[in-house]
Amino acid sequence: GQQVMQIPQYQHVQEGEDFTTYCNSSTTLSNIQWYKQRPGGHPVFLIQLVKSGEVKKQKRLTFQFGEAKKNSSLHITATQTTDVGTYFCAGRTQGGSEKLVFGKGTKLTVNP
Amino acid sequence: NAGVTQTPKFRILKIGQSMTLQCAQDMNHNYMYWYRQDPGMGLKLIYYSVGAGITDKGEVPNGYNVSRSTTEDFPLRLELAAPSQTSVYFCASSYSGSADTQYFGPGTRLTVL
Repeated sequence: GQQVMQIPQYQHVQEGEDFTTYCNSSTTLSNIQWYKQRPGGHPVFLIQLVKSGEVKKQKRLTFQFGEAKKNSSLHITATQTTDVGTYFCAGRTQGGSEKLVFGKGTKLTVNP
Repeated sequence: NAGVTQTPKFRILKIGQSMTLQCAQDMNHNYMYWYRQDPGMGLKLIYYSVGAGITDKGEVPNGYNVSRSTTEDFPLRLELAAPSQTSVYFCASSYSGSADTQYFGPGTRLTVL
Protein backbone atom coordinates (compact mmCIF):
# COMPACT_ATOMS: atom_id res chain seq x y z
CA GLY A 1 0.00 0.00 0.00
CA GLN A 2 0.88 3.64 -0.14
CA GLN A 3 3.60 4.69 2.25
CA VAL A 4 4.68 8.13 3.33
CA MET A 5 8.13 8.31 4.89
CA GLN A 6 9.17 11.31 6.93
CA ILE A 7 12.65 12.23 8.13
CA PRO A 8 14.15 12.98 10.51
CA GLN A 9 12.10 11.43 13.30
CA TYR A 10 13.52 13.88 15.84
CA GLN A 11 15.28 17.23 15.54
CA HIS A 12 16.68 19.34 18.33
CA VAL A 13 17.81 22.87 17.50
CA GLN A 14 18.94 25.99 19.25
CA GLU A 15 16.52 28.87 19.04
CA GLY A 16 17.30 30.87 15.93
CA GLU A 17 18.57 27.90 13.90
CA ASP A 18 16.74 26.67 10.83
CA PHE A 19 14.82 23.39 10.64
CA THR A 20 13.73 21.19 7.75
CA THR A 21 11.63 18.04 7.63
CA TYR A 22 11.27 15.90 4.52
CA CYS A 23 8.43 13.74 3.31
CA ASN A 24 8.71 11.04 0.62
CA SER A 25 5.98 8.92 -0.92
CA SER A 26 6.29 5.58 -2.67
CA THR A 27 3.62 6.70 -5.14
CA THR A 28 2.64 9.92 -6.88
CA LEU A 29 0.43 12.09 -4.74
CA SER A 30 -2.53 14.18 -5.78
CA ASN A 31 -2.02 16.51 -2.84
CA ILE A 32 -0.01 16.79 0.34
CA GLN A 33 -1.01 18.40 3.60
CA TRP A 34 1.06 19.46 6.58
CA TYR A 35 -0.13 19.41 10.18
CA LYS A 36 1.41 20.53 13.46
CA GLN A 37 0.74 18.84 16.77
CA ARG A 38 1.79 20.60 19.95
CA PRO A 39 2.77 18.37 22.90
CA GLY A 40 -0.40 16.92 24.41
CA GLY A 41 -2.52 18.46 21.68
CA HIS A 42 -4.21 17.42 18.49
CA PRO A 43 -3.03 17.86 14.88
CA VAL A 44 -3.78 21.26 13.40
CA PHE A 45 -3.82 21.88 9.66
CA LEU A 46 -1.06 24.13 8.34
CA ILE A 47 -1.26 24.01 4.56
CA GLN A 48 -2.07 21.99 1.46
CA LEU A 49 0.02 21.72 -1.71
CA VAL A 50 -1.50 20.47 -4.93
CA LYS A 51 0.58 21.54 -7.93
CA SER A 52 3.88 20.06 -9.08
CA GLY A 53 6.79 22.23 -7.87
CA GLU A 54 4.50 24.37 -5.72
CA VAL A 55 6.07 26.55 -3.04
CA LYS A 56 4.03 28.27 -0.34
CA LYS A 57 5.12 30.47 2.53
CA GLN A 58 3.58 31.25 5.89
CA LYS A 59 5.76 33.78 7.68
CA ARG A 60 8.89 31.78 8.63
CA LEU A 61 7.55 28.49 7.23
CA THR A 62 8.22 27.45 3.62
CA PHE A 63 6.51 24.43 2.10
CA GLN A 64 7.53 22.75 -1.14
CA PHE A 65 5.98 20.04 -3.29
CA GLY A 66 8.36 18.17 -5.57
CA GLU A 67 8.21 18.25 -9.34
CA ALA A 68 7.28 14.57 -9.46
CA LYS A 69 4.70 15.04 -6.67
CA LYS A 70 6.37 12.32 -4.64
CA ASN A 71 8.14 14.44 -2.05
CA SER A 72 7.64 17.53 0.02
CA SER A 73 9.48 19.58 2.60
CA LEU A 74 8.77 22.02 5.37
CA HIS A 75 11.47 24.53 6.25
CA ILE A 76 11.34 26.81 9.27
CA THR A 77 13.67 29.80 9.31
CA ALA A 78 15.03 31.05 12.63
CA THR A 79 13.12 28.70 14.91
CA GLN A 80 11.36 29.99 18.00
CA THR A 81 10.24 28.14 21.10
CA THR A 82 6.68 28.41 19.83
CA ASP A 83 7.65 26.12 16.92
CA VAL A 84 8.00 23.15 19.29
CA GLY A 85 5.83 20.21 18.31
CA THR A 86 5.53 17.34 15.88
CA TYR A 87 5.10 18.11 12.18
CA PHE A 88 3.24 15.61 10.04
CA CYS A 89 2.86 15.36 6.32
CA ALA A 90 -0.13 13.54 4.87
CA GLY A 91 -0.79 12.65 1.27
CA ARG A 92 -3.40 11.09 -0.97
CA THR A 93 -2.52 8.85 -3.90
CA GLN A 94 -3.60 10.03 -7.33
CA GLY A 95 -6.82 8.25 -8.20
CA GLY A 96 -6.97 6.90 -4.67
CA SER A 97 -9.76 6.84 -2.15
CA GLU A 98 -10.66 9.44 0.42
CA LYS A 99 -7.86 8.33 2.70
CA LEU A 100 -4.95 10.49 3.73
CA VAL A 101 -1.80 8.58 4.64
CA PHE A 102 0.21 10.26 7.37
CA GLY A 103 3.95 10.18 7.83
CA LYS A 104 5.26 9.30 11.28
CA GLY A 105 6.11 12.91 11.95
CA THR A 106 9.18 14.90 12.93
CA LYS A 107 9.35 15.95 16.54
CA LEU A 108 11.00 19.35 16.90
CA THR A 109 12.41 20.61 20.15
CA VAL A 110 13.91 24.08 20.48
CA ASN A 111 16.46 25.04 23.09
CA PRO A 112 15.98 28.69 24.18
CA ASN B 1 -19.09 26.44 16.69
CA ALA B 2 -17.58 23.81 18.99
CA GLY B 3 -15.85 22.13 16.04
CA VAL B 4 -15.06 18.46 16.65
CA THR B 5 -15.77 17.18 20.15
CA GLN B 6 -14.76 13.84 21.64
CA THR B 7 -15.72 12.09 24.84
CA PRO B 8 -14.35 10.81 27.09
CA LYS B 9 -10.93 12.49 27.37
CA PHE B 10 -9.42 9.56 29.25
CA ARG B 11 -10.49 5.99 29.91
CA ILE B 12 -8.99 2.88 31.45
CA LEU B 13 -10.46 -0.45 30.36
CA LYS B 14 -9.85 -3.97 31.46
CA ILE B 15 -9.04 -6.62 28.89
CA GLY B 16 -12.25 -7.91 27.31
CA GLN B 17 -14.38 -4.89 28.19
CA SER B 18 -16.19 -2.88 25.54
CA MET B 19 -16.73 0.83 25.12
CA THR B 20 -17.82 3.47 22.66
CA LEU B 21 -15.78 6.57 21.90
CA GLN B 22 -18.02 9.44 20.98
CA CYS B 23 -17.31 11.99 18.27
CA ALA B 24 -19.48 14.86 17.11
CA GLN B 25 -18.99 17.81 14.78
CA ASP B 26 -21.16 20.87 14.25
CA MET B 27 -19.62 22.11 11.01
CA ASN B 28 -21.97 20.15 8.71
CA HIS B 29 -19.02 18.20 7.35
CA ASN B 30 -19.71 15.20 5.17
CA TYR B 31 -16.50 13.32 5.89
CA MET B 32 -15.47 11.95 9.26
CA TYR B 33 -12.47 9.88 10.29
CA TRP B 34 -11.13 7.90 13.20
CA TYR B 35 -7.37 7.67 13.73
CA ARG B 36 -5.23 6.11 16.37
CA GLN B 37 -1.87 7.52 17.35
CA ASP B 38 0.73 5.34 19.00
CA PRO B 39 3.95 6.92 20.30
CA GLY B 40 6.32 7.68 17.44
CA MET B 41 4.03 6.04 14.90
CA GLY B 42 2.07 8.89 13.41
CA LEU B 43 -1.63 8.59 12.73
CA LYS B 44 -3.24 5.46 11.39
CA LEU B 45 -6.72 5.50 9.89
CA ILE B 46 -9.16 3.09 11.52
CA TYR B 47 -12.46 3.89 9.74
CA TYR B 48 -13.90 6.73 7.79
CA SER B 49 -17.27 7.88 6.53
CA VAL B 50 -18.19 9.94 3.47
CA GLY B 51 -21.69 10.67 4.69
CA ALA B 52 -24.52 9.45 6.88
CA GLY B 53 -25.06 5.73 6.42
CA ILE B 54 -21.75 5.16 4.61
CA THR B 55 -18.61 3.87 6.29
CA ASP B 56 -15.45 2.18 5.08
CA LYS B 57 -12.38 0.55 6.54
CA GLY B 58 -9.07 2.31 6.91
CA GLU B 59 -5.65 0.86 7.50
CA VAL B 60 -6.24 -0.73 10.93
CA PRO B 61 -9.96 -1.60 11.35
CA ASN B 62 -9.65 -4.91 13.23
CA GLY B 63 -11.19 -4.82 16.69
CA TYR B 64 -13.30 -1.73 15.96
CA ASN B 65 -16.71 -0.90 14.57
CA VAL B 66 -18.34 2.35 13.52
CA SER B 67 -21.72 3.66 12.53
CA ARG B 68 -22.86 6.96 11.01
CA SER B 69 -26.57 7.41 11.51
CA THR B 70 -26.39 11.22 11.39
CA THR B 71 -24.12 13.77 9.74
CA GLU B 72 -22.99 15.05 13.13
CA ASP B 73 -22.04 11.86 14.97
CA PHE B 74 -19.48 9.15 14.29
CA PRO B 75 -19.02 6.82 17.27
CA LEU B 76 -16.24 4.24 17.42
CA ARG B 77 -16.98 0.97 19.17
CA LEU B 78 -14.31 -1.22 20.76
CA GLU B 79 -15.39 -4.77 21.37
CA LEU B 80 -13.31 -7.03 23.62
CA ALA B 81 -10.60 -4.51 24.41
CA ALA B 82 -6.99 -5.70 24.14
CA PRO B 83 -3.73 -4.10 25.39
CA SER B 84 -2.76 -3.50 21.75
CA GLN B 85 -5.62 -0.98 21.59
CA THR B 86 -3.93 1.26 24.15
CA SER B 87 -3.51 4.47 22.21
CA VAL B 88 -4.72 8.01 21.69
CA TYR B 89 -7.76 8.15 19.43
CA PHE B 90 -8.51 11.17 17.30
CA CYS B 91 -11.67 11.89 15.41
CA ALA B 92 -11.51 14.28 12.49
CA SER B 93 -13.87 15.77 9.95
CA SER B 94 -13.65 17.57 6.64
CA TYR B 95 -16.15 19.13 4.29
CA SER B 96 -15.11 17.53 1.01
CA GLY B 97 -12.73 14.69 1.74
CA SER B 98 -8.99 14.19 1.54
CA ALA B 99 -8.44 17.24 -0.65
CA ASP B 100 -9.77 19.40 2.14
CA THR B 101 -8.60 20.46 5.60
CA GLN B 102 -9.17 17.89 8.30
CA TYR B 103 -10.27 19.28 11.67
CA PHE B 104 -9.28 17.13 14.60
CA GLY B 105 -10.94 16.68 17.95
CA PRO B 106 -8.96 16.85 21.20
CA GLY B 107 -8.52 13.08 21.41
CA THR B 108 -9.34 10.24 23.79
CA ARG B 109 -6.48 8.63 25.68
CA LEU B 110 -7.35 4.96 26.18
CA THR B 111 -5.43 2.48 28.31
CA VAL B 112 -6.28 -1.21 28.30
CA LEU B 113 -4.92 -3.16 31.26
